[in-house]
Amino acid sequence: GNSVTQMEGPVTLSEEAFLTINCTYTATGYPSLFWYVQYPGEGLQLLLKATKADDKGSNKGFEATYRKETTSFHLEKGSVQVSDSAVYFCALNTGFQKLVFGTGTRLLVSP
Amino acid sequence: DAGVIQSPRHEVTEMGQEVTLRCKPISGHDYLFWYRQTMMRGLELLIYFNNNVPIDDSGMPEDRFSAKMPNASFSTLKIQPSEPRDSAVYFCASSLMAGGKANEKLFFGSGTQLSVL
Repeated sequence: GNSVTQMEGPVTLSEEAFLTINCTYTATGYPSLFWYVQYPGEGLQLLLKATKADDKGSNKGFEATYRKETTSFHLEKGSVQVSDSAVYFCALNTGFQKLVFGTGTRLLVSP
Repeated sequence: DAGVIQSPRHEVTEMGQEVTLRCKPISGHDYLFWYRQTMMRGLELLIYFNNNVPIDDSGMPEDRFSAKMPNASFSTLKIQPSEPRDSAVYFCASSLMAGGKANEKLFFGSGTQLSVL
């Protein structure tokens, strides 16, 4: 079936450190891939997306590249800020509007 | 735009009671989703609607759960009777399919934190 696997958290970093959150997927066909972010007490927000192989999604300094050969969509940021502390969800679209989410990875950034 | 509006933000109830969660999607959106979030199971899709019609309810855990969308601006998720294992954060989300192509961007509400004692 369709599924998303994310690295376990929490990920704890100091401000300005480099961030990688791993995401791999299993899917039939060619899904679109997403990263959503959830700040404390809020709903999820779309951070970035990629719709086909080798596409790079980017937003707010975050980026992720759709790698079909490794079925991966790792999230990266060159220099994290305290305000980036949140839970990050990788997701794929199995068709129409139905998203399958990973379990989420909590990021904690300290000053 | 006010975004997706959910109510209540918090609900505490006793086992066996009926619980009704409410959602107002973004005006003009034609898809509405109900998700449940728990530490153990993460985010689970319970049911989604297109143009007020339920399309897929395969995620609804059991008959105690029901969802309705009587019009384009309102949906409810009801649990009757509630049980402690229903304790979770319930999210409503909406989206728009434009030009025949799925938008693929969900707009989430802030969620309802449900505690069943």
